Amino acid sequence: DIVMTQGALPNPVPSGESVSITCRSSKSLLYSDGKTYLNWYLQRPGQSPQLLIYWMSTRASGVSDRFSGSGSGTDFTLKISGVEAEDVGVYYCQQGLEFPFTFGSGTKLEIK
Amino acid sequence: EVQLMETGGGLVQPGKSLKLTCATSGFTFSTAWMNWVRQSPEKGLEWIARIKPKSTNYATEYAESVKGRFTISRDDSKSSIYLQMNSLKEEDTATYYCTPFDYWGQGVMVTVSS
Repeated sequence: DIVMTQGALPNPVPSGESVSITCRSSKSLLYSDGKTYLNWYLQRPGQSPQLLIYWMSTRASGVSDRFSGSGSGTDFTLKISGVEAEDVGVYYCQQGLEFPFTFGSGTKLEIK
Repeated sequence: EVQLMETGGGLVQPGKSLKLTCATSGFTFSTAWMNWVRQSPEKGLEWIARIKPKSTNYATEYAESVKGRFTISRDDSKSSIYLQMNSLKEEDTATYYCTPFDYWGQGVMVTVSS
């Protein structure tokens, strides 16, 4: 199985600051169609996960442009430009390249 | 508005069965690739099953942890998917979500305990 490893944040983060959340996969997620099958989700406290980014860098519908995704085949970054109170929660990366689809263990964001 | 609602959860003894239902609306269900994902404090988010549309003859995939015990199915006429869970184990205790990944339901809790 592809292992997804996420980094931690130096919580709490001051409101308005920009943060980068890292994720690493044990195998390249770049497929032959040119797409990188890496998704990012935010799970707010008490809620279901919400898709933020798919194909490594494409924002999902309705997602703020403060969120951006980047990376290579195995190393990925979710950047939040100017964190706000509503960004609090746990961020997950997930690979959609091969079965079983696997998630990272999550990165918690707290805001000061 | 997109809606997904999971039902059918509850407390069940080890070895018993349970069937989850996910009713959806607000998106083109018939062409959606639908998944069941579960979440527990011990294992985090865990993908467990996927079913493709009719055009693929409803092809399915399962995680090894549930293969042979769980069955995913769909009824396009009801825009719903199902998860038949047999031979339940304590480690199946989790909140179960149905999702095409773009959207997620609120989840339903399944507790396996004697």
